[in-house]
Amino acid sequence: NAGVMQNPRHLVRRRGQEARLRCSPMKGHSHVYWYRQLPEEGLKFMVYLQKENIIDESGMPKERFSAEFPKEGPSILRIQQVVRGDSAAYFCASSPPSTANYGYTFGSGTRLTVV
Amino acid sequence: AQSVTQLDSQVPVFEEAPVELRCNYSSSVSVYLFWYVQYPNQGLQLLLKYLSGSTLVKGINGFEAEFNKSQTSFHLRKPSVHISDTAEYFCAVSTGTASKLTFGTGTRLQVTL
Repeated sequence: NAGVMQNPRHLVRRRGQEARLRCSPMKGHSHVYWYRQLPEEGLKFMVYLQKENIIDESGMPKERFSAEFPKEGPSILRIQQVVRGDSAAYFCASSPPSTANYGYTFGSGTRLTVV
Repeated sequence: AQSVTQLDSQVPVFEEAPVELRCNYSSSVSVYLFWYVQYPNQGLQLLLKYLSGSTLVKGINGFEAEFNKSQTSFHLRKPSVHISDTAEYFCAVSTGTASKLTFGTGTRLQVTL
């Protein structure tokens, strides 16, 4: 049973380009969470999604960032017109609906570098 | 809103010595508490969690933590550390009505010979 799969592991973008980060949850998990880890900091919650629904996006920056979790396929975190301050590790986690409050499984992350 | 404080940013310790990583939280409602470990360039792995019941929680790799409601603490302990325990450790909290985790800033455990 594969864990939470994130790709790419490393992503380099020039300022102004778009970054697309993908997350495939564990089999049977219908809840996905995205977190961002800035250098020397802990993880900060960004968004919580269920299939075709955004449940909580209180941690998402108001501009340039969006997330989706379609009926089919992985969850996508999209960052438009990236800036140097977007350089960070982005982690996805997933859980089944019944244990959403009880901790979840993280992927290995995507490390975004904006040059 | 809840918050998590990990007072020690770095903890150096010799191999086979005991270690305690401190975590304090604040919340106006009941909480669930977690410790995660992050090895270099990897994701977070759940070490242990407190949901309810016994305040002493045992996790993987010989770690344990004790929930102390009066002191709002959830310190992580291991009686004898190994070189392979060198990693970043994060304490996190969630409430029963929210699925998002609030993380502390992490404690880097550095184990040396």
